[in-house]
Amino acid sequence: GAGVSQSPSNKVTEKGKDVELRCDPISGHTALYWYRQRLGQGLEFLIYFQGNSAPDKSGLPSDRFSAERTGESVSTLTIQRTQQEDSAVYLCASSYQTGLAAGGELFFGEGSRLTVL
Amino acid sequence: DAKTTQPPSMDCAEGRAANLPCNHSTISGNEYVYWYRQIHSQGPQYIIHGLKNNETNEMASLIITEDRKSSTLILPHATLRDTAVYYCIVRADYGKLTFGQGTILTVHP
Repeated sequence: GAGVSQSPSNKVTEKGKDVELRCDPISGHTALYWYRQRLGQGLEFLIYFQGNSAPDKSGLPSDRFSAERTGESVSTLTIQRTQQEDSAVYLCASSYQTGLAAGGELFFGEGSRLTVL
Repeated sequence: DAKTTQPPSMDCAEGRAANLPCNHSTISGNEYVYWYRQIHSQGPQYIIHGLKNNETNEMASLIITEDRKSSTLILPHATLRDTAVYYCIVRADYGKLTFGQGTILTVHP
């Protein structure tokens, strides 16, 4: 497709379960970002990938959170043993490059809404 | 990345220009000014960015002061669909964008 695609769009899970969230970036985009947005709050940076490597994972809130990217394309954000405070919209973005020449702007998906009961 | 300061909210009448200010007094020479917006329940949308020259595209204009310590995003003819949270971000050459609280712009009829 033309834009960043995220799945599932909505996920309801029980506390303690593991969840996987998927992001398909725009084709050819080398950089990929994950953000979290709790209800009524701003965007929190989680991690970004340049290719398949993650130079900055400083925003991952705990070791229950992990992410990987393969083939310089699809990325998966995994949350283990989910807690109620993990409830949020998880947003993925991609950019052609991380540098600030033309093409460095981020394009966001519509997000995956996670609800932990 | 340098911190930005934006008013928490602004109103604008439909059809009028919306001028959204941003202060970034600690911006360094290699940092760009980016503007994004987030319409309710959607992912953020890129609007425009610049380094020191004024920029214009089909969505908006960006005016950066000569000392680069502040900037203004201009939506020349605001519509109801422009109601959103507008984020001003300064960013060095690579890596993450750090979003602040932004300005809630409400365009009213």
